Amino acid sequence: TQLLEQSPQFLSIQEGENLTVYCNSSSVFSSLQWYRQEPGEGPVLLVTVVTGGEVKKLKRLTFQFGDARKDSSLHITAAQPGDTGLYLCAGLPRTSGTYKYIFGTGTRLKVLA
Amino acid sequence: GAVVSQHPSWVICKSGTSVKIECRSLDFQATTMFWYRQFPKQSLMLMATSNEGSKATYEQGVEKDKFLINHASLTLSTLTVTSAHPEDSSFYICSAILLFNEQFFGPGTRLTVL
Repeated sequence: TQLLEQSPQFLSIQEGENLTVYCNSSSVFSSLQWYRQEPGEGPVLLVTVVTGGEVKKLKRLTFQFGDARKDSSLHITAAQPGDTGLYLCAGLPRTSGTYKYIFGTGTRLKVLA
Repeated sequence: GAVVSQHPSWVICKSGTSVKIECRSLDFQATTMFWYRQFPKQSLMLMATSNEGSKATYEQGVEKDKFLINHASLTLSTLTVTSAHPEDSSFYICSAILLFNEQFFGPGTRLTVL
């Protein structure tokens, strides 16, 4: 069974702090996506990474795909209350002949004002 | 980004009734859509892959006679929860695949079975 483990599971921080969320697997992925989901809504795509070692920035968010394409990280600089939500990574296994993404276990972030 | 809609956004029904949930890709065509189920404070669980013009592919443990999927056009997939029971209460989310394997999600449908 292919698994994507996210850590930490829960994170509560003060506004202005930095944080990093990790997404790890023993499987190789051809692409990996990060989503943010708010209660009662569907996940919203933040970024897609496809190349090993790739780094993408989205304002205060920095995403990195591991060199071996087995893991990824999301770093948030100077977190704000609006960053609160459930962060999900999702990987498309390299051996998959379909578009079936495997979702991570999720990281619930709360940023306190 | 691409837009995926779901209807209804929430539904309450009595035990034993059937409920249909629609998933539409509004500004693109999607030959593949997915249906997920999400329990409170948990990640998404893939239920099935909906393929336009062919039968859906169900994940292990998901009853295909319980969760009927129809993907009759390139912009619409429907999930029917048949003979719903309280344990079927959940947040159901669909997604559609656009170019470059990017997956876009609908806003979800909250089903409550009394």
